[in-house]
Amino acid sequence: AQTVTQSQPEMSVQEAETVTLSCTYDTSESNYYLFWYKQPPSRQMILVIRQEAYKQQNATENRFSVNFQKAAKSFSLKISDSQLGDTAMYFCAFIQGAQKLVFGQGTRLTINP
Amino acid sequence: DSGVTQTPKHLITATGQRVTLRCSPRSGDLSVYWYQQSLDQGLQFLIQYYNGEERAKGNILERFSAQQFPDLHSELNLSSLELGDSALYFCASDSPNNEQFFGPGTRLTVL
Repeated sequence: AQTVTQSQPEMSVQEAETVTLSCTYDTSESNYYLFWYKQPPSRQMILVIRQEAYKQQNATENRFSVNFQKAAKSFSLKISDSQLGDTAMYFCAFIQGAQKLVFGQGTRLTINP
Repeated sequence: DSGVTQTPKHLITATGQRVTLRCSPRSGDLSVYWYQQSLDQGLQFLIQYYNGEERAKGNILERFSAQQFPDLHSELNLSSLELGDSALYFCASDSPNNEQFFGPGTRLTVL
């Protein structure tokens, strides 16, 4: 079974700092996709970034970037120059094909002024 | 705005009752996924429909059922409600490159 593990239940950093959220996953497949979703206090699920397993290059979206280590089955999210609006729950998720997303338990990130 | 709509935003009901949650996918998307998020929990997959047909099932209770209509909107029916069914229910639709976009969710409170 595919599983996703986020080992940091909570993190807290100062505004403008860089923070890295960890995620590991387990699968026997070679083709899959990984995502980070953000859930702010409004509870809306917002797609932050996407990585295809067959691509070696790490995905980047503005201040958000990932460190994808396929052999280690690791997929961390780095947030640079953190802002107050980044305060949210962050979920790592895995998908293979047009199927369900498998989510980790989430990391609650607080950005302090 | 993801383009996925869900109604209602909030539902408060009593144990033993039945409710219906509604979802419309993004224009052009054929799939609808339903997820349940209990308090302080991750999201659990319930069921997927593709172009009117059930495609995959997760840990969906027998008291729960869903369908997708010809206009592609979907309804999730929850019956014989229990306190533990209180949760946030999301639906999502996906793009051809496997990105799933979520609706705003329906918060169900069972008293």
